[in-house]
Amino acid sequence: AQSVTQLDSQVPVFEEAPVELRCNYSSSVSVYLFWYVQYPNQGLQLLLKYLSGSTLVESINGFEAEFNKSQTSFHLRKPSVHISDTAEYFCAVSDWGGADGLTFGKGTHLIIQP
Amino acid sequence: GAGVSQTPSNKVTEKGKYVELRCDPISGHTALYWYRQSLGQGPEFLIYFQGTGAADDSGLPNDRFFAVRPEGSVSTLKIQRTERGDSAMYLCASSLSNTDTQYFGPGTRLTVL
Repeated sequence: AQSVTQLDSQVPVFEEAPVELRCNYSSSVSVYLFWYVQYPNQGLQLLLKYLSGSTLVESINGFEAEFNKSQTSFHLRKPSVHISDTAEYFCAVSDWGGADGLTFGKGTHLIIQP
Repeated sequence: GAGVSQTPSNKVTEKGKYVELRCDPISGHTALYWYRQSLGQGPEFLIYFQGTGAADDSGLPNDRFFAVRPEGSVSTLKIQRTERGDSAMYLCASSLSNTDTQYFGPGTRLTVL
């Protein structure tokens, strides 16, 4: 069985400031890791994913996440946020076989303050 | 191209009634997933189809919930004798295979009065 912990339910940040959204997971098998974003009144969209290879993965809109196996973490970071980044962010995990569905965290609401 | 679509977008029903929620996956995607998302929570896995068969239905909460995918494309989630606790957003996702990225639909918001 797998689980995902997103400790922060809300993260308020000033515009152009850096942000880190924390994600820790537990699993007895090797995993794939994902960050999904849900903008207001929209469906879930994949932001970035780690499958294998380089532990640092990047999205097209400036977010990055680093897989840390020893700390079982996959924290999401952005050096400078914009108002348009206001959204709910979900960390998710699946096993390598992919036979299970995704296991999601409870989400972190990123609030950008002008 | 067209993404995952779900109908209806909203469904209001009364306690005890039967409901069907439909999912149209991306064309060519063999894997299809159903999730349920309650307010303030992340999506919870319900069931996964590979082709026409349910490969994993371990997330279905009880025998009132059932899903089908008879032709390996469209899927229907069926809920019998609905309860107020069934109120949630029901999400469908599809992927090329079970090891590929899952693409989510906009969801069906179910409200049981």
